[in-house]
Amino acid sequence: DADVTQTPRNRITKTGKRIMLECSQTKGHDRMYWYRQDPGLGLRLIYYSFDVKDINKGEISDGYSVSRQAQAKFSLSLESAIPNQTALYFCATSDPRTGGIADTQYFGPGTRLTVL
Amino acid sequence: DAKTTQPNSMESNEEEPVHLPCNHSTISGTDYIHWYRQLPSQGPEYVIHGLTSNVNNRMASLAIAEDRKSSTLILHRATLRDAAVYYCIEGANFGNEKLTFGTGTRLTIIP
Repeated sequence: DADVTQTPRNRITKTGKRIMLECSQTKGHDRMYWYRQDPGLGLRLIYYSFDVKDINKGEISDGYSVSRQAQAKFSLSLESAIPNQTALYFCATSDPRTGGIADTQYFGPGTRLTVL
Repeated sequence: DAKTTQPNSMESNEEEPVHLPCNHSTISGTDYIHWYRQLPSQGPEYVIHGLTSNVNNRMASLAIAEDRKSSTLILHRATLRDAAVYYCIEGANFGNEKLTFGTGTRLTIIP
């Protein structure tokens, strides 16, 4: 079974709808991240959490919110989806204790979101 | 903005070595160099990282210039499965800084 899972894998929604993307991990890592990927722009960080009580904005947090329900779960919400939020969304985890001081990140398979 | 510079694309023949360059001219003395790759329709995956010395693992080798302003990821014998986008990233030590992904190098392997 995959260590980092994302649901749903694909979602089509309409402008103005509230959408939640979920991420679960079985790696036991404290740190979790949400990125979005647009063609030609690489990955950009939306939010990150270094433990259950810690939430931080990333590079492009406007229009998004997150919830860290447990060590293993980190959800990303679009309160009112708009078409320019159409993208591929990735969740990642890391743990500096296991990755050494370089903090290797482990990514989920991604969620393809289309906002019409 | 990403702090590294990579060519947009490269091609290599199957079963030949591949050298993927990366410039990081503003890297600080304590920042690591990380490489990740993203296979088609998958999330990125870790390849290798290093600080000053050259590094080897089962996937690749990382050669770091003496002045640390550039590095090269070496795939010793490319296979079709190595076709991917390769990202070179600067990252702080102690894992307290987020990794900033640029647009990477799209590597095409020619059979």
